[in-house]
Amino acid sequence: AQSVTQLGSHVSVSEGALVLLRCNYSSSVPPYLFWYVQYPNQGLQLLLKYTSAATLVKGINGFEAEFKKSETSFHLTKPSAHMSDAAEYFCAVSEGAAGNKLTFGGGTRVLVKP
Amino acid sequence: DTEVTQTPKHLVMGMTNKKSLKCEQHMGHRAMYWYKQKAKKPPELMFVYSYEKLSINESVPSRFSPECPNSSLLNLHLHALQPEDSALYLCASSQDQIGADTQYFGPGTRLTVL
Repeated sequence: AQSVTQLGSHVSVSEGALVLLRCNYSSSVPPYLFWYVQYPNQGLQLLLKYTSAATLVKGINGFEAEFKKSETSFHLTKPSAHMSDAAEYFCAVSEGAAGNKLTFGGGTRVLVKP
Repeated sequence: DTEVTQTPKHLVMGMTNKKSLKCEQHMGHRAMYWYKQKAKKPPELMFVYSYEKLSINESVPSRFSPECPNSSLLNLHLHALQPEDSALYLCASSQDQIGADTQYFGPGTRLTVL
């Protein structure tokens, strides 16, 4: 069975500082991993995904994530936070055999301080 | 265009009402999904349709009835709901029901059951 753990339900960063959101997964097969962002009262938007190609994945809005199999991690980073990055971020895992069933982590709410 | 549309945006219904949520995509995707998201929680999968056939039902109560009339349209029929069913209902679609496929989400319907 697949599962995702996001460390820290809330993260507060200063504008211009590094954003680091942690995600660890559990999967019995090589996983597909996703990061989504959700702004208030909106749906989810894909930031980036890992599908067994390059381990360092670049996404939209300056975000990137690195897949580390040995650590079963897929942490999301952005070098310099912007006020518009304030949102809820979800890490998700999909196992191909499960028919594209996404299992989400609990989410991390990012607050950006001016 | 990666847009998934959902109507209505908001819905308030009594426990004896019958209502329907609608989801539409014109990306040629063959898999469509319904998720339920409670406040401050991640989305939870309810149903998956693949090539207009129900593929996954996550043991959802029968008061929720999905329907896929054609490859672009997905409905969720609601009847005799409970107040605890109040949530944001998200629709998503993907090219196919393959683990690596990105799911594109609509903005959601916020449902309140009185």
